[in-house]
Amino acid sequence: QVQLVESGGGVVQPGRSLRLSCAASEFTFSRYAMHWVRQAPGKGLEWLAVISYDGSNKYDADSVKGRFTISRDNSKNTLYLQMNSLRSEDTAVYYCARDGAYSSSWYGPYYGLDVWGQGTTVTVSS
Amino acid sequence: DIQMTQSPSTLSASVGDRVTITCRASQTISNWLAWYQQKPGKAPKLLIYKASSLESGVPSRFSGSGSGTEFTLTISSLQPDDFATYHCQHYNSYPWTFGQGTKVEIK
Repeated sequence: QVQLVESGGGVVQPGRSLRLSCAASEFTFSRYAMHWVRQAPGKGLEWLAVISYDGSNKYDADSVKGRFTISRDNSKNTLYLQMNSLRSEDTAVYYCARDGAYSSSWYGPYYGLDVWGQGTTVTVSS
Repeated sequence: DIQMTQSPSTLSASVGDRVTITCRASQTISNWLAWYQQKPGKAPKLLIYKASSLESGVPSRFSGSGSGTEFTLTISSLQPDDFATYHCQHYNSYPWTFGQGTKVEIK
């Protein structure tokens, strides 16, 4: 079935880097915009970043701009989140998610996040 | 950035109750709003998109309404499986933002 599986989480010291991966299966990955969303312990959901279906457009939330980079490899059906200069406040469960709009323009229309991964936990601690 | 404010933060209800959750946007977002259900330790699940469209497979007791800046999610008759946290999210323009969530608890 349609599936997203995140990996790459773990415990990392402040200031270090980590790269998360999100492997997609059973759908045409290269035709969908993809997103990263995180949830700190006991908190709500925080939208982080989006990349267009072909990788030509990206947008980051201010909270991670300049530190996190979203990317994708459509030949490998995989989404990435490179996280640099990690801080304690980046501790969270990180989810990748699909925008359900097929081959949508960068400017929309969008659909909403219809497929989510199970999440991968990142803990930033010394 | 557009801010999303949900109310209430917590709601206590009984099985069979009609439940309404409100989400307000800091500026107009037309009908570009989604609702998600999240259970502890699980990923969110899309319930409603475009403010009032029911996602495939979601029970019809869930409904959404509103446009502009005021939106509601209604559960017509609360079932045991519905005790969870509900999140609204706008997707009018980037950056997308979520509301803070509403936890529906057993009364």
